[in-house]
Amino acid sequence: AQSVTQLGSHVSVSEGALVLLRCNYSSSVPPYLFWYVQYPNQGLQLLLKYTSAATLVKGINGFEAEFKKSETSFHLTKPSAHMSDAAEYFCAVSSSGNTPLVFGKGTRLSVIA
Amino acid sequence: DSGVTQTPKHLITATGQRVTLRCSPRSGDLSVYWYQQSLDQGLQFLIHYYNGEERAKGNILERFSAQQFPDLHSELNLSSLELGDSALYFCASSVEHEQFFGPGTRLTVL
Repeated sequence: AQSVTQLGSHVSVSEGALVLLRCNYSSSVPPYLFWYVQYPNQGLQLLLKYTSAATLVKGINGFEAEFKKSETSFHLTKPSAHMSDAAEYFCAVSSSGNTPLVFGKGTRLSVIA
Repeated sequence: DSGVTQTPKHLITATGQRVTLRCSPRSGDLSVYWYQQSLDQGLQFLIHYYNGEERAKGNILERFSAQQFPDLHSELNLSSLELGDSALYFCASSVEHEQFFGPGTRLTVL
């Protein structure tokens, strides 16, 4: 069975500071990994995905994530936080294309002016 | 805008009632997934349909059922509703490994 652990249910950073949201996964097969963002009262929007190509994945809005197999991690980073980044972020794993996603519990990011 | 539509946006009903949530996938997408988001359980997979056939079931209660029609839209039926069924219900459609989520239906059971 697959699972995702997101460390920290709430992360708070200052505007302009580095954003680091942690995600560790468990999978018995090579995983597909995703980060989604959810703004209040909205659906989930895909930030980026890892599908066994390059281990450093660049996404939208300046976010990127690095797949580290040895650490079973897929942490999300952004060099400089913006107020508009305040949202809930979800890490997810699937075993292959066209299979259900298994989500972590989410991390709420707050950005302080 | 993901291209996935869900209706209604909000639904308020009473315990014991039955409701139907509707999802229209992106044009050309054959897969539809349903997920439930609640404070207690987080985001959980309910059921997956591909081109009208059920492909996988997750943590879906027996009181819940779904189907996908020939035009590829899908409906999630929730019956004998309980207070604990109050949640945000998302559908997603996919091409290969990427899932596109609709805006969700917020169900409130009073």
